[in-house]
Amino acid sequence: GQQVMQIPQYQHVQEGEDFTTYCNSSTTLSNIQWYKQRPGGHPVFLIQLVKSGEVKKQKRLTFQFGEAKKNSSLHITATQTTDVGTYFCANKLVFGAGTILRVKS
Amino acid sequence: GAGVSQSPSNKVTEKGKDVELRCDPISGHTALYWYRQSLGQGLEFLIYFQGNSAPDKSGLPSDRFSAERTGGSVSTLTIQRTQQEDSAVYLCASSAGLGIYSYNSPLHFGNGTRLTVT
Repeated sequence: GQQVMQIPQYQHVQEGEDFTTYCNSSTTLSNIQWYKQRPGGHPVFLIQLVKSGEVKKQKRLTFQFGEAKKNSSLHITATQTTDVGTYFCANKLVFGAGTILRVKS
Repeated sequence: GAGVSQSPSNKVTEKGKDVELRCDPISGHTALYWYRQSLGQGLEFLIYFQGNSAPDKSGLPSDRFSAERTGGSVSTLTIQRTQQEDSAVYLCASSAGLGIYSYNSPLHFGNGTRLTVT
């Protein structure tokens, strides 16, 4: 079935550094969704990208959908301790394995 | 209610017993999903209900797992003859999308049921 591969599995950054997680598929995606799960919490929807080459911003977060609609990225500028958690990409019913972000203050 | 409600929040059961997990979706949401998340792992899709259509059961790991959705609202996930490898957090989600592609709408998750099989 359809799979979305997510890298890296884990990233530990110094507060103020940037962070990026990538989501890749071998097939064209109809859309890509991004979710954030805080430690001990449940996944919370962040955004959905639909169009080829689409870029959306939410404050310090920038989401991109590749031109071929086979990859997507989430970039956080100047991380804060509140950014800690696991970031998942998802397409249809399938979630990526997630990237765990830890922030050292 | 304002969000997806799941009960119980925690369940400890002995190996071999049956368990029922309940999900109450957001009012008006036509689609309902069950996922499983093992400790430190990603989300494993189990089953998807959309309106009156036949559910997508393709993610159920064995015939010990079943789910139903009554009246297009509340759903129950049943695990028969529980095994230790069933221990996980079971997450329910709902979405407002219409049609068979409801999963293209944002999923709203409940807080999950943490199942521990001893």
